Amino acid sequence: NAGVTQTPKFQVLKTGQSMTLQCAQDMNHEYMSWYRQDPGMGLRLIHYSVGAGITDQGEVPNGYNVSRSTTEDFPLRLLSAAPSQTSVYFCASSRLGELFFGEGSRLTVL
Amino acid sequence: KQEVTQIPAALSVPEGENLVLNCSFTDSAIYNLQWFRQDPGKGLTSLLLIQSSQREQTSGRLNASLDKSSGRSTLYIAASQPGDSATYLCAVNIDYGQNFVFGPGTRLSVLP
Repeated sequence: NAGVTQTPKFQVLKTGQSMTLQCAQDMNHEYMSWYRQDPGMGLRLIHYSVGAGITDQGEVPNGYNVSRSTTEDFPLRLLSAAPSQTSVYFCASSRLGELFFGEGSRLTVL
Repeated sequence: KQEVTQIPAALSVPEGENLVLNCSFTDSAIYNLQWFRQDPGKGLTSLLLIQSSQREQTSGRLNASLDKSSGRSTLYIAASQPGDSATYLCAVNIDYGQNFVFGPGTRLSVLP
């Protein structure tokens, strides 16, 4: 009954460091996506994937990288962290247009 | 470009009241609309999904309606309880599973 699982839940980075936020789903959904949620900005789409081997950019892709080697996993990589990337990150999967979210990963970049 | 707004931004009501949350979207060409609940520090929990061909969906004390032509959806909560306190967000699906546009949310407080 896991649904969408994100790790880690909390992370503190220094400017310039890189890291990967992990996302896995066990519902066999083809569509997966990453959002960031900031106060006053709402949820904004970073990258999404419509199936293994296929990814595309969302509204705010700069500074982030994704890959989709399997249906289950969709990691989000921060290449060189910046304070502007301090945010809460949500992974989601979708079937027939219905979104299912993970619990979120709170990232602070100092 | 599709834009989604939610009114009011915040709402405080006494326990037991029936209440309505509003969601408006600018482009009626949507595939579905989904209502979510978000508790502080938590993820988004799906409440109701309304397909574009449907007029309403019900789950327990929740009823969501959709008027595509006017670009509006409402979430009706009957007999509100303190446990209903959360932020409620609506999202429209504009590209069948690939593109979702979210509203900013309504923060609801139900006072005991």
